[in-house]
Formats: sequence, C-alpha cells, structure tokens
Amino acid sequence: RKEVEQDPGPFNVPEGATVAFNCTYSNSASQSFFWYRQDCRKEPKLLMSVYSSGNEDGRFTAQLNRASQYISLLIRDSKLSDSATYLCVVPYGQNFVFGPGTRLSVLP
Amino acid sequence: ETGVTQSPTHLIKTRGQQVTLRCSSQSGHNTVSWYQQALGQGPQFIFQYYREEENGRGNFPPRFSGLQFPNYSSELNVNALELDDSALYLCASSLDVGAREQYFGPGTRLTVT
Repeated sequence: RKEVEQDPGPFNVPEGATVAFNCTYSNSASQSFFWYRQDCRKEPKLLMSVYSSGNEDGRFTAQLNRASQYISLLIRDSKLSDSATYLCVVPYGQNFVFGPGTRLSVLP
Repeated sequence: ETGVTQSPTHLIKTRGQQVTLRCSSQSGHNTVSWYQQALGQGPQFIFQYYREEENGRGNFPPRFSGLQFPNYSSELNVNALELDDSALYLCASSLDVGAREQYFGPGTRLTVT
C-alpha cells in the first residue's frame, strides 16, 4: 500500500456543485494532515490543516477518520476558480509525503 | 504570496552537467525543505535543512546535496545530471523544525537534455 493515495480524478463538475475527494494514508501514527491546492505550473499552496477530527473554512470542509485512516475534502458551491489539483499531505517525520493529487475542473 | 523566492525560474542543462538552485525562505523561518515534482505527480521529499544542518532525507542519491546559510537561505546541488532529473524543484520554508505548515516558493523548472 502506498503511503498516501488519493482519488485519481479528474473530477468535472458544474458551477455550484458539491464535490468531495478522499485521501488514504498508511502511517497510523500521523497526527496532522494537510490539503494543498496547486494550479497548473504553479507551486502548491496550503488550503487547510487538519489536526483533530476536522476543519471548516468557508466552503471547504476537511474530515479526518483515524480509524479508517482517511481524510476527505468537501467543497460546497464550487466556483470556476476552484479548478486546480488538490494534494493530500501526510507528514512522516521531516518528510511531507504528498499524494499524487486529484484534479478538479469546475465547468460554467 | 508566501515570501519564499527561488532562482532561477527555468533552467536547461545537458546530461552529466551540474546545477545549483537557490531558495530564500520566508522571513523568520529557519527550516527549509526541498522537493522534486515530476510532471503529473505529487512533490517528492529530497531533504530538509534546519539551522544549517541536514535534518532528514528522502530516497534520493548522494549526487543530490544541499546547503543552508546563516541567513537560512538554501541551495540544492545536483551533480551528474540525468534525463530523469527533469522536473519542477520546489523549496518550502517553515517557522521551525517542529512546525507543520510549510510554505512553497514558485519553483525552478529544470530540463535536462
């Protein structure tokens, strides 16, 4: 099993839709998790940090399920500007292990 | 913007050459990590520097080496370049070695021909 796996995507959704991505991880000792977004040919940018069961920031909600070792990211009322690749990140010591990313395209 | 800068933006080298990439961390951040991102993949951890010492390393060969300077800026050096080294190289700074949030620079796109 890979250290961090994500829904392969791509997800193509209409504006206003709700979309959810899943990420599974193998290290049961991990205590913190992150979602980054990456626009085409740009650097990853921190979207949300998850330290307990979840986190909410406006239209974005992250949920953590430690028993099943997965993190989800829910985006409500999708905007065209949400189109990007979403990267799940799990720290393993000094190493931030990135998933392969899930690409989202929000269509007009 | 994160305040993390990298240079150069783009670079083209030939196989066997050596390259040095540079990173200036965000003000007040003493920890820098370097990542390699191949096309269509997530970033892969190369190594981390904390207060001028290497503080962790990923699965990369010794021809990938680094430095961190007293002002916490950093360099990534790659010797004997191979075609597979073509990638986006990202540096990320964090407030301290125990801090969990990392902030990325815009990256250097290296092409090896």
